[in-house]
Amino acid sequence: QKEVEQDPGPLSVPEGAIVSLNCTYSNSAFQYFMWYRQYSRKGPELLMYTYSSGNKEDGRFTAQVDKSSKYISLFIRDSQPSDSATYLCAAYGSSNTGKLIFGQGTTLQVKP
Amino acid sequence: EAGVAQSPRYKIIEKRQSVAFWCNPISGHATLYWYQQILGQGPKLLIQFQNNGVVDDSQLPKDRFSAERLKGVDSTLKIQPAKLEDSAVYLCASSPGTGGQPQHFGDGTRLSIL
Repeated sequence: QKEVEQDPGPLSVPEGAIVSLNCTYSNSAFQYFMWYRQYSRKGPELLMYTYSSGNKEDGRFTAQVDKSSKYISLFIRDSQPSDSATYLCAAYGSSNTGKLIFGQGTTLQVKP
Repeated sequence: EAGVAQSPRYKIIEKRQSVAFWCNPISGHATLYWYQQILGQGPKLLIQFQNNGVVDDSQLPKDRFSAERLKGVDSTLKIQPAKLEDSAVYLCASSPGTGGQPQHFGDGTRLSIL
């Protein structure tokens, strides 16, 4: 079993839709959770960074962490064609090594 | 603030040849990471440096891969000899420290092995 699992998609939605991207994880020691956006032929770009359970909002993006069910979500409101990219969830624990474990990534296409 | 710089952006070599990648992290970032990202997968950590010391290299294929960060700033990752399965994007990332701090990535080197 992979430590962080993510449906690869692709996910296709119309412009303006609310997008829900999800990950599950198996390691209960994970405490830090991140979402990265990766455009084609570019490096991952940090979108959201959360610690432990709860919600965090930044503009059109909301990250949710439910540690009881080991579930991570990213919501995108009013999706735009420029949101078309691969979204990677990632997690790590509190050890000093800071070893970040990534999911496979979900490819999102927002159609005008 | 300048981001993580990597070069070259693309490299094509034949199997059994050698190749080297260079990374310059964000200024002041003590921790540097090298990741391998195979097409359709998430990045996988190869090696982590804290200043010029290795923190984690448990997933680095040491028979063919090597990395160094001699002065605690920029870093080089080398593959010798390359195999077909090494075709991937090699990403460098940096963070101010360890222990949960967010990592910032460069755009990577896309390596193709013929």
